[in-house]
Amino acid sequence: SQTIHQWPATLVQPVGSPLSLECTVEGTSNPNLYWYRQAAGRGLQLLFYSVGIGQISSEVPQNLSASRPQDRQFILSSKKLLLSDSGFYLCAWSLQGNQPQHFGDGTRLSIL
Amino acid sequence: DQQVKQNSPSLSVQEGRISILNCDYTNSMFDYFLWYKKYPAEGPTFLISISSIKDKNEDGRFTVFLNKSAKHLSLHIVPSQPGDSAVYFCASRFQGAQKLVFGQGTRLTINP
Repeated sequence: SQTIHQWPATLVQPVGSPLSLECTVEGTSNPNLYWYRQAAGRGLQLLFYSVGIGQISSEVPQNLSASRPQDRQFILSSKKLLLSDSGFYLCAWSLQGNQPQHFGDGTRLSIL
Repeated sequence: DQQVKQNSPSLSVQEGRISILNCDYTNSMFDYFLWYKKYPAEGPTFLISISSIKDKNEDGRFTVFLNKSAKHLSLHIVPSQPGDSAVYFCASRFQGAQKLVFGQGTRLTINP
């Protein structure tokens, strides 16, 4: 069966520091991969998605970037974190077509 | 512009009764609709989906109804159980797209 791993579960970082969040999927090949952010009391905002290695689509202008160095690995990065980057970050995967997305357990990022 | 709207931020239902969660969308190009359940500090879990060619899909205690003319989606849970207490998100997908658009979520509380 397919599983998705996301780490770390929680992270506290100072303003201006770099960020790297990693997500890996097991048990499937060539999945679509997604990064979302959920701000406090808000819905899920899509940040990036990828349909293949090296293919990244950005949904909103922001301080973050994403990379997909391997088929089942998706990385969310920042060179300098802002206070507004605080939130709950979720990685998800799906197959092609009318298939649901499946989410990891998320990373709670707090910027001080 | 919020293309997928959940107008009720919260809902309380007595255990054993029916819970009805509602979702409205604005774009007629959405062709696939989903419901997710989310507990605090966890990623959303996929519950049930429906294609635009159907108007009803059932899975155990969960039924999703789609009214395309009204651009309205609803999730019925019957009978409601304490473990159903969570935040519920509806999501929609544009025809041919790989990404989902999420509503803001509705917090469902099941009272004993």
